[in-house]
Order: sequence, then structure tokens, then C-alpha cells
Amino acid sequence: DAKTTQPNSMESNEEEPVHLPCNHSTISGTDYIHWYRQLPSQGPEYVIHGLTSNVNNRMASLAIAEDRKSSTLILHRATLRDAAVYYCILRDVGNNDMRFGAGTRLTVKP
Amino acid sequence: EAGVTQSPTHLIKTRGQQATLRCSPISGHTSVYWYQQALGLGLQFLLWYDEGEERNRGNFPPRFSGRQFPNYSSELNVNALELEDSALYLCASYRDRNKNIQYFGAGTRLSVL
Repeated sequence: DAKTTQPNSMESNEEEPVHLPCNHSTISGTDYIHWYRQLPSQGPEYVIHGLTSNVNNRMASLAIAEDRKSSTLILHRATLRDAAVYYCILRDVGNNDMRFGAGTRLTVKP
Repeated sequence: EAGVTQSPTHLIKTRGQQATLRCSPISGHTSVYWYQQALGLGLQFLLWYDEGEERNRGNFPPRFSGRQFPNYSSELNVNALELEDSALYLCASYRDRNKNIQYFGAGTRLSVL
């Protein structure tokens, strides 16, 4: 199984950009990169996903390295509500496996 | 549009008992995933149901089982409960298999005493 590696925790100041890294050196050509986040006492929520090209949506941007062995989730202006655990996941498009790792706990300081 | 709903919110059992957890997906969603999240840890994939069939299961013993009903709701059964089964059990559903954007419920907190 392809696996992801993320830092255990990161800190950010409010209203500053945040770059959350993810390494996935064993990614296969058919694996999509998904990001979810889990706010305290809630189930995870979808953030963004991509295959090869960088992606933007209203929540965040996803920058994917050219060799696809790493990616970065970018929150353009962190708010206190963005404090959560962020999960980087590889989805095997063949069997639709979604394997969550331990994630990165993001703390946002006012 | 109602989100994914799970019941009960909390469940307290003793060792050796059986637990049944229920999940109702978002209307129109035909696939359901089950995950286990032990305290302070990430999500562990349990089961995936699609169109009433079990499509895949994670690395869990056979005493973890489930089913999906014709209305696409799902049930997770855990037999012969052990203390380490205490966890938050999350259900997620999606509509588009190509995108697999999952929508999660708030979970059932199972405590085994």
C-alpha cells in the first residue's frame, strides 16, 4: 500500500499562510491525492484532491510536485477555525481504498 | 439536505458483548465506508459497501462485520467485544465513485468496559 508521511504538528499565526507538507514517495500512477481535515469532536471533512496538476478551491490550494512524490496543502490565510488535524491520503482509483495516516495537528495562534 | 447520520451517539458495552452501530448515508449516495478511530489516532479503514455488496475490508478480525440494506443504510456489528475496541466509529458516504469525495457522520463513541 502506498503510504503518506506528514509532520505530527505545525503552528501558524492567524491570517498568515500555512503550508502543510505530505510525502508519498511510493505513489503509483493511478493514485489520487486527497486531503481531509478533522475539527475537534467532528468527523473528517473533505478539503481538496488532485492527480497531477495543482488544484484550487474555496478552502485551499493543493500543490503537487512534478514527480508526484510529495504535495503541499496551502491555506492562504489561516483562521482560528482552521485549527484541526489535516490528513493527506492516497486513493487507489482501482479499489477506491482510502488509507488515512496519523495526520498533522495544526494549531492557529491569534 | 441531511448529512450522514449515525446512531447511537454513544454506546457502552462490556467485554464479550455485541455492538450494533447504524449509519444512514446522504440521500442519493450508494456507497458507505466504515472507519475506526482509537483515541488520539488516525482513522483505520474497516469496511466499504457499495450497492449492497461488501467491496473491501481493512485489516480487522472477522468479528467486525456489517451489511448494507436496499435503502443504502448500513450496519456495523462487532462481536465478542474487547477492551481495545473502544473507539470512535465513523461512517462516510459518497455518490461519485470517480471522485470519492466522502462525507462523514459525527460518529458513534463505543466504550467497552
